[in-house]
Amino acid sequence: AQKITQTQPGMFVQEKEAVTLDCTYDTSDPSYGLFWYKQPSSGEMIFLIYQGSYDQQNATEGRYSLNFQKARKSANLVISASQLGDSAMYFCAITDNNDMRFGAGTRLTVKP
Amino acid sequence: NAGVTQTPKFRVLKTGQSMTLLCAQDMNHEYMYWYRQDPGMGLRLIHYSVGEGTTAKGEVPDGYNVSRLKKQNFLLGLESAAPSQTSVYFCASSYSRTAAPMGYTFGSGTRLTVV
Repeated sequence: AQKITQTQPGMFVQEKEAVTLDCTYDTSDPSYGLFWYKQPSSGEMIFLIYQGSYDQQNATEGRYSLNFQKARKSANLVISASQLGDSAMYFCAITDNNDMRFGAGTRLTVKP
Repeated sequence: NAGVTQTPKFRVLKTGQSMTLLCAQDMNHEYMYWYRQDPGMGLRLIHYSVGEGTTAKGEVPDGYNVSRLKKQNFLLGLESAAPSQTSVYFCASSYSRTAAPMGYTFGSGTRLTVV
């Protein structure tokens, strides 16, 4: 069964603007972790941010923040002040009682 | 600053040939994973290991075998390659099952083409 859903195959954003990448998940475990990874055109997987299911506050890492809405099973990634180097594939992932499962990804393109 | 190293980085195989992908990590992680990445499907788990001498099936294990004889190495084998196994293969490792809070550490990937 699909555990992670990313409904936006592609997104465009103007340089210096903010963008939100959507992610919804499905799990019956009360304890789980949510992750976002960036994959630039060079192909490597770069860890961006983590949110635990019991964390009271939304996670933030520099220009990245996670809009965690537990009741809606939503974990959207917000990138503030977009830069040309943010153009990449972005993957949402979950670990619960199983191993890390990934969504299909969103391709973000930052326009100058 | 090695982290997770995968070899080879590129390979072209003929249908029916066999090969082994090597993954090595120097972080003393217990958990290691093999994923494949196909367009529009994200990363899918092939096999994983929770420690030296252990292996288990993931979401898409058919056509692959794995071994973890040493803690730092995790091998992925294709006994008889098929065109459907054309993909980018990623190895990853972590110190815990939940991977909190730093996630998995990934290798740079192996691009395999089966003709």
